[in-house]
Amino acid sequence: KNQVEQSPQSLIILEGKNCTLQCNYTVSPFSNLRWYKQDTGRGPVSLTIMTFSENTKSNGRYTATLDADTKQSSLHITASQLSDSASYICVVSDRSNAGKSTFGDGTTLTVKP
Amino acid sequence: GAGVSQSPSNKVTEKGKDVELRCDPISGHTALYWYRQSLGQGLEFLIYFQGNSAPDKSGLPSDRFSAERTGGSVSTLTIQRTQQEDSAVYLCASSPSGAAGELFFGEGSRLTVL
Repeated sequence: KNQVEQSPQSLIILEGKNCTLQCNYTVSPFSNLRWYKQDTGRGPVSLTIMTFSENTKSNGRYTATLDADTKQSSLHITASQLSDSASYICVVSDRSNAGKSTFGDGTTLTVKP
Repeated sequence: GAGVSQSPSNKVTEKGKDVELRCDPISGHTALYWYRQSLGQGLEFLIYFQGNSAPDKSGLPSDRFSAERTGGSVSTLTIQRTQQEDSAVYLCASSPSGAAGELFFGEGSRLTVL
């Protein structure tokens, strides 16, 4: 069964600090991995999308890494801001099951002043 | 519009009533998805459309749930005889292609069943 597990479940950091969120998956055969940011009461918004051949992808202060061998990804947030407070969702797509992606339960990040 | 539009944004209904939730995807996006998100939980897949057909309905929780898509565009999710456990945010997403494509989400329809 395809699974995506994220850790930690929640995280509190001070403004200006860095943090790293983890995503482990068992989806196979792998197509791509995406990180989404979901603000409270809003729909998720895409941050990065990574395919098998990509190790790192950045979007501003967000940097995602992918290790396809160990089936792990991380999302690193640099110099956090209050607006980074949100849920971060890892989503992995399966090449053999067109139309369905496997979602992690998300990491809730709270950035405090 | 430029993004995925969902309506209503909020719906309060009484147990046993039927509700319809609407999704207007980004123009030209062939794939459309419905998800359900209960309070504090992750997204739960409901159904996937490619054009007007639904190759994957496996996430629909019961026969009270149905969805259709017409003209390869607007989709309607219908919940019959609503129950309190149906209370959740229903999110719609569209994609220019299938599973490998980036998903563009609407803001969701928050359903409360009293």
